[in-house]
Amino acid sequence: EVQLVESGGGLVQPGGSLRLSCAASGFTFSDHYMDWVRQAPGKGLEWVGRTRNKANSYTTEYAASVKGRFTISRDDSKNSLYLQMNSLKTEDTAVYYCAREGAYCGGDCHDAFDIWGQGTMVTVSS
Amino acid sequence: DIQLTQSPSFLSASVGDRVTITCRASQGISSYLAWYQQKPGKAPKLLIYAASTLQSGVPSRFSGSGSGTEFTLTISSLQPEDFATYYCQQLNSYPPITFGPGTKVDIK
Repeated sequence: EVQLVESGGGLVQPGGSLRLSCAASGFTFSDHYMDWVRQAPGKGLEWVGRTRNKANSYTTEYAASVKGRFTISRDDSKNSLYLQMNSLKTEDTAVYYCAREGAYCGGDCHDAFDIWGQGTMVTVSS
Repeated sequence: DIQLTQSPSFLSASVGDRVTITCRASQGISSYLAWYQQKPGKAPKLLIYAASTLQSGVPSRFSGSGSGTEFTLTISSLQPEDFATYYCQQLNSYPPITFGPGTKVDIK
């Protein structure tokens, strides 16, 4: 079964750190770009960032709201994706999802987030 | 950054109704648009990619159209399991990848 399972969420004080993990199974993890998306309580979806695959040098990109505070990494040998979150703010409180980017290629290629984890809740509060 | 707007933000409809949701981009994104469905407490689910291609396993009552700056998601005959929030997403120009604010489809 193709699936993603996040872990590592919890309660943390403002200014603190937390590391989220996402375990992948049922597909060739190393082939895919992987993303983190978050959703604050009662709000919409916000893209956090992505890591490309080895063929694209594992380059990363981030939303402006987290750049310099969050770091995305991956370990293809463990089929795992990570999100290191530092200097956390109350506005980082959200459910964090990892998502697989599928590349659908015909005449050209279109990406889409075709597999999602169940999410892990991060609460930043004193 | 490319901004996405959705209309309406909320709609109330009955089972069997035809429903159309519009997504507009602040600049042209060709057909690099996807649609997702999210039910309360659940992760989003991919419905459509490349603006109009139905993801495997998604019922054919869902369809997408558009290119450039205006896109639509249509549900031809609303079913009880379709009551959810729908988001569009652009993957043409990044970072950032952006989502629309969502359209909640509720039972009339």
